[in-house]
Amino acid sequence: EPEVTQTPSHQVTQMGQEVILRCVPISNHLYFYWYRQILGQKVEFLVSFYNNEISEKSEIFDDQFSVERPDGSNFTLKIRSTKLEDSAMYFCARADRVGTEAFFGQGTRLTVV
Amino acid sequence: SQQGEEDPQALSIQEGENATMNCSYKTSINNLQWYRQNSGRGLVHLILIRSNEREKHSGRLRVTLDTSKKSSSLLITASRAADTASYFCATDHNTNAGKSTFGDGTTLTVKP
Repeated sequence: EPEVTQTPSHQVTQMGQEVILRCVPISNHLYFYWYRQILGQKVEFLVSFYNNEISEKSEIFDDQFSVERPDGSNFTLKIRSTKLEDSAMYFCARADRVGTEAFFGQGTRLTVV
Repeated sequence: SQQGEEDPQALSIQEGENATMNCSYKTSINNLQWYRQNSGRGLVHLILIRSNEREKHSGRLRVTLDTSKKSSSLLITASRAADTASYFCATDHNTNAGKSTFGDGTTLTVKP
């Protein structure tokens, strides 16, 4: 059973459209992360989320992106106006606390056409 | 160059042989983690080694950490075809957020 479930597994969207990627951690943990991996490239940190607040974000995480945990369970990443270069695998991760293992979901493959 | 650089970029071995992958980083760390990724799939956590540890074992995996050289190695013994995957190191650099910085990865191919 996966530690973290992500939906959808694959999403195709038109450029300029908004997408919402979802992450459901199995356990009730406090630390959540979003990473992305453009095809053939390394995994890049986007944002960390703790206690319902962003604790750190990267340069990639600009105004186009937002995260929230609306119902205390699902953890979402919203991309407001998608661009072709947003095409990537997006991974959600969770950790018990800072400095411990981070467990990743299977990812959502986003394709912007 | 960037944090968490692995070498070699690609490694091809025969089943039963050992595979060694290396990772180097530039700034001090809290811990270093190794992950496996099968093609197009998610990241599977393999092992975490803390900055005050020098060696850690998990099954056929052995990880070493040399903080003086800012490097780590992952050894897979008695490799199997199922070990074919990309392997990434990820470093946690003393931030409160616990984010990880990933390297470019080593692509391992184990031939049956």
